[in-house]
Amino acid sequence: NAGVMQNPRHLVRRRGQEARLRCSPMKGHSHVYWYRQLPEEGLKFMVYLQKENIIDESGMPKERFSAEFPKEGPSILRIQQVVRGDSAAYFCASSPGPGTYNEQFFGPGTRLTVL
Amino acid sequence: DQQVKQNSPSLSVQEGRISILNCDYTNSMFDYFLWYKKYPAEGPTFLISISSIKDKNEDGRFTVFLNKSAKHLSLHIVPSQPGDSAVYFCAASPMGNTNAGKSTFGDGTTLTVKP
Repeated sequence: NAGVMQNPRHLVRRRGQEARLRCSPMKGHSHVYWYRQLPEEGLKFMVYLQKENIIDESGMPKERFSAEFPKEGPSILRIQQVVRGDSAAYFCASSPGPGTYNEQFFGPGTRLTVL
Repeated sequence: DQQVKQNSPSLSVQEGRISILNCDYTNSMFDYFLWYKKYPAEGPTFLISISSIKDKNEDGRFTVFLNKSAKHLSLHIVPSQPGDSAVYFCAASPMGNTNAGKSTFGDGTTLTVKP
């Protein structure tokens, strides 16, 4: 019974490059959430997706960041033209379904370092 | 404006004693509250939750208390064990089916339980 999978666990990029972070939710979960944790801070909500739909992207920066959760395959958080301030831990979480107060199951995170 | 606040960044207690972690919130729309525990280099894991229709929920050594009028909740761990040493995040979710999955997190409290 695999949990939420994230890869890569560690990602190093130079300024201006693109970063792609992948998240496979738990089996049977159709809701995915992305959070960012900056050093010494809590988790900040970025985006909430269901299959092929973005439900809430109120926490996403307006530029350079995008997310998708296709019908097949993992959810992808994409950061274009990375800057040093993007260095953080990015966590993905999943939950079973809509309208229920389910806890979220988190992946181990991807630690992005921008040089 | 931080809607979920954990005012104590750290807490140190002796093994066997009670640990009390506090959390305050400002948004009246929050009606479901969760505590997560996080070890270094891992994602958060769900610990315990409480709905706004209750004022107490207990699970083994962990009890969460909710004071709606004060917009305050606390997590009690008794007796505390060295393995409880971790960062504890308080999270809150709003009413409504479409928002049920979106949680707002506090910045966390680092608990250290000394043997």
